[in-house]
Amino acid sequence: GEDVEQSLFLSVREGDSSVINCTYTDSSSTYLYWYKQEPGAGLQLLTYIFSNMDMKQDQRLTVLLNKKDKHLSLRIADTQTGDSAIYFCAVGDEIKAAGNKLTFGGGTRVLVKP
Amino acid sequence: DVKVTQSSRYLVKRTGEKVFLECVQDMDHENMFWYRQDPGLGLRLIYFSYDVKMKEKGDIPEGYSVSREKKERFSLILESASTNQTSMYLCASCVIGSEQYFGPGTRLTVT
Repeated sequence: GEDVEQSLFLSVREGDSSVINCTYTDSSSTYLYWYKQEPGAGLQLLTYIFSNMDMKQDQRLTVLLNKKDKHLSLRIADTQTGDSAIYFCAVGDEIKAAGNKLTFGGGTRVLVKP
Repeated sequence: DVKVTQSSRYLVKRTGEKVFLECVQDMDHENMFWYRQDPGLGLRLIYFSYDVKMKEKGDIPEGYSVSREKKERFSLILESASTNQTSMYLCASCVIGSEQYFGPGTRLTVT
């Protein structure tokens, strides 16, 4: 089955850029997502990219996809203390009638230091 | 705004008890999911449902069952709770092909 890997922890200074990395194994993954989980809360979709794209930018967020290496990254520009959270990478199969099943990575805990 | 609610934020149960975790969504979504979240393991899919009374096993269904009698409600059942089922349980819903919306989670402790 699909395997999605992330590093466990990232520490950055406020105002710097953060880069969170994710690797996956299934080359047929079509939908690739980044979710954010703040303490005590559920997951919130941050952004997503389709496998026919290499890059997507949304305000402070930039997603890069390297399909050859099966590597996905999320860059947060000008990181703020409110960005401290756990970030999950998730990948999905082709849309099936049964819905969009996702495989999640283990999550990267980002700590932003003032 | 999509709203996914879960019946409890925190729950403490004894080993062997039957446990019901309820999830309700208000956006008429076809698909609903139950995950458990454990440190370092991310989210693992327990069961999902793509229609009323329809269910499919996820990656770790052992020890769990589900019920979807109404479109808006998806229940996770632990027939006989065990300590290794202590975890954070997250419910999600979506329309086909769209992002999943998550509830706030239920932290279950089995003693």
